[in-house]
Amino acid sequence: ETGVTQSPTHLIKTRGQQVTLRCSSQSGHNTVSWYQQALGQGPQFIFQYYREEENGRGNFPPRFSGLQFPNYSSELNVNALELDDSALYLCASSLGQGGSYEQYFGPGTRLTVT
Amino acid sequence: AQSVTQLGSHVSVSEGALVLLRCNYSSSVPPYLFWYVQYPNQGLQLLLKYTSAATLVKGINGFEAEFKKSETSFHLTKPSAHMSDAAEYFCAVKGGEGAQKLVFGQGTRLTINP
Repeated sequence: ETGVTQSPTHLIKTRGQQVTLRCSSQSGHNTVSWYQQALGQGPQFIFQYYREEENGRGNFPPRFSGLQFPNYSSELNVNALELDDSALYLCASSLGQGGSYEQYFGPGTRLTVT
Repeated sequence: AQSVTQLGSHVSVSEGALVLLRCNYSSSVPPYLFWYVQYPNQGLQLLLKYTSAATLVKGINGFEAEFKKSETSFHLTKPSAHMSDAAEYFCAVKGGEGAQKLVFGQGTRLTINP
């Protein structure tokens, strides 16, 4: 069984640029959630995709957007990067709509905005 | 709204001593509760989950947690700490009826003294 994978591992961007992070869900899972974890904090929910549709969104501005593909992999896009966007971005996959709700996390992408 | 509070941002115990990490929750519906562990520069690993079955939940690596509705608590324990248990621990609650997101606490850093 293949776990959740994310790419890239690390990324350095300049303020104002755009970034795309990628996630492959665990085999058999149809739901992907994205979280932002600032240094020393717990993860904060950004949004979730279920069968290619957005299925809930946290308190993040519209410049955070996402996509889910037919194979259930997902992308997180952030436009107009700000210094405060520097964080660990975690992707989690789950079996949505009737599962036991546990989410399985990837290793994360560390984004640094300078 | 669903929330969790982790009491103590940093806990330090001796190797072989009891580990107790505290978590209190707030939920408007019967909660689904989780404990995750995060090792340095890694993603989150699920330790255990409570989904309204047995109130004493056993997880991986010798950890267990007890759901106490009267105290709105879900504390994590391990009888004998190992050096390898040093990590950040997060308590999380499923974010409300119909919502699939997880709401995390701020985390507790566990240090093991030799």
